[in-house]
Amino acid sequence: NAGVTQTPKFQVLKTGQSMTLQCAQDMNHEYMSWYRQDPGMGLRLIHYSVGAGITDQGEVPNGYNVSRSTTEDFPLRLLSAAPSQTSVYFCASTRGGDGYTFGSGTRLTVV
Amino acid sequence: LAKTTQPISMDSYEGQEVNITCSHNNIATNDYITWYQQFPSQGPRFIIQGYKTKVTNEVASLFIPADRKSSTLSLPRVSLSDTAVYYCLVGIGGYNKLIFGAGTRLAVHP
Repeated sequence: NAGVTQTPKFQVLKTGQSMTLQCAQDMNHEYMSWYRQDPGMGLRLIHYSVGAGITDQGEVPNGYNVSRSTTEDFPLRLLSAAPSQTSVYFCASTRGGDGYTFGSGTRLTVV
Repeated sequence: LAKTTQPISMDSYEGQEVNITCSHNNIATNDYITWYQQFPSQGPRFIIQGYKTKVTNEVASLFIPADRKSSTLSLPRVSLSDTAVYYCLVGIGGYNKLIFGAGTRLAVHP
């Protein structure tokens, strides 16, 4: 069991570039979420999914897209990177009822 | 807007019991209360979850009064390794659209 795997671990982007943060889980979890955490702050929910083919917006969805074509994968796409998107991004999953398992995070810097 | 309110920071000493109280006045009938722990440069880690009364596991206890408008996370005999940020969350089933608040920074001193 690998748990929740996020790639890449570090990334530097130039303003205006696009990229996809990958998230995969091998626990057959229905529920998956993306959060961002700015330095010294709490986590903010970007998008979440309650199952394959179903996604919804969280607190701060602007500038991000998601899709959930399979149970295992929940990629997060940055459409046109901005310095304000510099943050640590966490993906998490759960089957419901026993708490989320979080990935180790992707540290993104936009210059 | 976060659904919960908790102290920004707390200090304790090794071996003491620590109680962190969280206020969630607008908790809904279907909401569960969940606590997470986060160390620097790591993702949050699930600690405990409950709906009412008391829940205990090998790490902590969670006390929830009958009106469910607050909850208290109890950490018995803390050690230096318990220094972390602790988040209280409420959400449908404990997993649907979980919104994190600012959390409580617990510092455990020798």
